Amino acid sequence: RKEVEQDPGPFNVPEGATVAFNCTYSNSASQSFFWYRQDCRKEPKLLMSVYSSGNEDGRFTAQLNRASQYISLLIRDSKLSDSATYLCVSVRNQGGKLIFGQGTELSVKP
Amino acid sequence: GAGVSQSPSNKVTEKGKDVELRCDPISGHTALYWYRQSLGQGLEFLIYFQGNSAPDKSGLPSDRFSAERTGGSVSTLTIQRTQQEDSAVYLCASSPGGRETQYFGPGTRLLVL
Repeated sequence: RKEVEQDPGPFNVPEGATVAFNCTYSNSASQSFFWYRQDCRKEPKLLMSVYSSGNEDGRFTAQLNRASQYISLLIRDSKLSDSATYLCVSVRNQGGKLIFGQGTELSVKP
Repeated sequence: GAGVSQSPSNKVTEKGKDVELRCDPISGHTALYWYRQSLGQGLEFLIYFQGNSAPDKSGLPSDRFSAERTGGSVSTLTIQRTQQEDSAVYLCASSPGGRETQYFGPGTRLLVL
C-alpha cells in the first residue's frame, strides 16, 4: 500500500464544473502537505500548500483533516487549462523529501 | 531568474551501459533532490543532498545507482550497467534550505533498450 493514496481517476468534466479530489496518507508523522500539478511531459509544479484551517487560492480550495489523515482539493468553475494530473504530496520534514500519490488525471472538456 | 536545469533532456542507451545525468540547481539552493517517475511506480524519491553530503539515500533502488554533488551546486546521478527497468524520467529538484518549496527541473527521459 502506498503511503499517499489518491482517487484513481481519470476525471472527465465539462467546463464550469466543480470537481473534488481526495487523498489519504498513512504515516501520521507526516507534517506538511501539498498539491502539485503536472502537465503532460512536464515537471511537477507546486499548486498550493494544504493547512488544517483550509486555504483558498482563487478557484482552488485545499483542506487537511489530520484526524482522518485526509486531504482534499476542490476546483470550482473548471477551465480547459485546468486539464492536468494533480499530485497529492506529503512531507515528513526529515530533509523535506516529497512523498507523492500516484496522481489523478483531470480532463476538462468544452 | 534561471530555474533548475537538467541534461541531457533525453538519453537512449543500450542495456549494460553506464549513464550520467546532470542537475544544475537554482543558485544558492543548498538542498537538492533526485526523483524518478515511471509508468508503473509514479514519482519516487531517490536521494537528498544538503550541501555536498547526502543524509538520505534511502530511495536508491540498487547499488548500481549513485549520486554526488560538488561545490554545493551541480549534482550527477550515475546508473551503472543499465537495465530496461531503469527506463523512466529522472527529475531533479532544489530548495533554499530543505524545508521550503521544491522547484523541479524538466527531467531527463532515459530509455534503456
